[in-house]
Amino acid sequence: DAGVTQSPTHLIKTRGQHVTLRCSPISGHKSVSWYQQVLGQGPQFIFQYYEKEERGRGNFPDRFSARQFPNYSSELNVNALLLGDSALYLCASSYLRDSYEQYFGPGTRLTVT
Amino acid sequence: KQEVTQIPAALSVPEGENLVLNCSFTDSAIYNLQWFRQDPGKGLTSLLLIQSSQREQTSGRLNASLDKSSGRSTLYIAASQPGDSATYLCAVEYNFNKFYFGSGTKLNVKP
Repeated sequence: DAGVTQSPTHLIKTRGQHVTLRCSPISGHKSVSWYQQVLGQGPQFIFQYYEKEERGRGNFPDRFSARQFPNYSSELNVNALLLGDSALYLCASSYLRDSYEQYFGPGTRLTVT
Repeated sequence: KQEVTQIPAALSVPEGENLVLNCSFTDSAIYNLQWFRQDPGKGLTSLLLIQSSQREQTSGRLNASLDKSSGRSTLYIAASQPGDSATYLCAVEYNFNKFYFGSGTKLNVKP
């Protein structure tokens, strides 16, 4: 079975633009979480979706939004990009809503210039 | 506020050495603790998951322990190899797949 997939792999945007990142979970997994990893730091939790509903939100501004589709894939949207949004964006999926092992995708490297 | 700290930040050892990576967390009311490996510019690879009711997990040369009362976990790597060189991240789950990560320990195993 394929693991968690993310697209695109790399992305370069200009300040003020909008970006959409995509994630496909492992087949059968219903929970998708998004993380932001700035260089040299550990990932920071942004959102968790389970069964197409938002179940958790980290300390990120409203410029960040996400959704989960009926096939359990997910999109992360970031509006009005700032230089500080440059990071590796990681998606993780798991089978259950809570208390279960997470599997991470390879990430999308976003550079904002 | 839940905080996760990993010590040391970086570690360089000769091949064949046994080593211990440390992770500490401020809130002991955890669901799970998971250790990951991250290669440069890549995503995270899960190594071991310890549920809150467990005290340790083993996989091959890796052994992870959990002491909730003291807020600590250790990852023991036996007979280290150059291929073990990577950043090792500790993540603590408090609720609903929301993990708090440490900043990682960057390991370099010299041939």
